[in-house]
Amino acid sequence: EVQVVESGGGLVKPGGSLRLSCATSGFSFNDAWMSWVRQAPGKGLEWVGRIKSQTAGGTIDYAAPVKGRFTISRHVSKNTLYLQMNSLETEDTAVYYCTTMYMAAFDYWGQGTLVTVSS
Amino acid sequence: QSALTQPPSASGSPGQSVTISCTGTSSDVGGYNYVSWYQQHPGKAPKLMIYEVSKRPSGVPDRFSGSKSGNTASLTVSGLQAEDEADYYCSSYAGNNNIFVFGGGTKLTVL
Repeated sequence: EVQVVESGGGLVKPGGSLRLSCATSGFSFNDAWMSWVRQAPGKGLEWVGRIKSQTAGGTIDYAAPVKGRFTISRHVSKNTLYLQMNSLETEDTAVYYCTTMYMAAFDYWGQGTLVTVSS
Repeated sequence: QSALTQPPSASGSPGQSVTISCTGTSSDVGGYNYVSWYQQHPGKAPKLMIYEVSKRPSGVPDRFSGSKSGNTASLTVSGLQAEDEADYYCSSYAGNNNIFVFGGGTKLTVL
């Protein structure tokens, strides 16, 4: 059974940093394309970034609002995906979801972790 | 990249069919057959319902179907049931700069 579990959310001040983790199991993490998707309170879904599988080159792409501030990485031996978030802004307040990807779709989602950026 | 355009709300009675549209451009919806649809119940994570325009993941009822014409994709829910009441989001691969875009979401109400 595929499992995706996010952690690391919390309250952080504007300009601060936070690292989210996404522990996975039930599939070959090394061969997986993964994404982060966020949802601001009461708002719609917004794609944050994607990392291709190692076999596909491991390319990482980001949405314009987070490019240069957020970094996606993976630790293959721990089957864990990370999202390092720096220079956080109030607009980054959202539930952050980790997802697996299949044919350009987001197929398995975690339960999400809430990040609140506020002074 | 602008979000895809969805109607904010849709409704239907049990047993009826309802179609939700998702309008983009030739750079996203119209340019690729990588449109997907997600169902989200309140307080829950989204669930993939349709991928590659019209394919259903295992376990998704065949009451849910997808299609595309030009720059507009559609999700049709047939034989509406009470549990179909939820928010629905479309998404598309957008190619340039390898990005993905979502629609603003449609709240489906089963009357």
